[in-house]
Amino acid sequence: DSGVTQTPKHLITATGQRVTLRCSPRSGDLSVYWYQQSLDQGLQFLIQYYNGEERAKGNILERFSAQQFPDLHSELNLSSLELGDSALYFCASSPRKGDRDREETQYFGPGTRLLVL
Amino acid sequence: GENVEQHPSTLSVQEGDSAVIKCTYSDSASNYFPWYKQELGKGPQLIIDIRSNVGEKKDQRIAVTLNKTAKHFSLHITETQPEDSAVYFCAALDTGRRALTFGSGTRLQVQP
Repeated sequence: DSGVTQTPKHLITATGQRVTLRCSPRSGDLSVYWYQQSLDQGLQFLIQYYNGEERAKGNILERFSAQQFPDLHSELNLSSLELGDSALYFCASSPRKGDRDREETQYFGPGTRLLVL
Repeated sequence: GENVEQHPSTLSVQEGDSAVIKCTYSDSASNYFPWYKQELGKGPQLIIDIRSNVGEKKDQRIAVTLNKTAKHFSLHITETQPEDSAVYFCAALDTGRRALTFGSGTRLQVQP
């Protein structure tokens, strides 16, 4: 158990709908990362937040957005869903900035499996 | 940005044999290289990592080597056991985006 929690575990929805995925980082971690894992694209970085602010952006679609709240939990919002958005969505967290040897270390949650029908 | 290639895509070994998975990366500025193990229905689990100031790191049956000049790194698992069966991913830290770029994964099967 990495200490990162994600809800829900499974989500089934229809095309055109909007869903919200939730992540709670490990206690004390300030950074949250979101990744998408699909069969054809592998594990792809979407976006990173550090202490409430967006820090880095990857291959995230404009239909997707995220935020990190004052209690450090994060939400990934996926809208106008398409069949191709079906995938596993992982959240990861890493230790606070300042401990240079550990800041890059990312611990993954169990993921949310999204199925768009 | 960073590009990581991983080989082989599948690997089958007998219990007790060694397994080696290799990765190459493109960004010479990358300085952090973790390996993750992913079992069916679970999230990636960090098993070992190495930073660019070190050439080799070992943790019990698992070792990682890094060749910065050639821009490749490898995972070595000795005395494999059936519970080592999983998908293994290498990754490199993209210093520009400060995010991990992952290899495509290796499905390791350890035959009892």
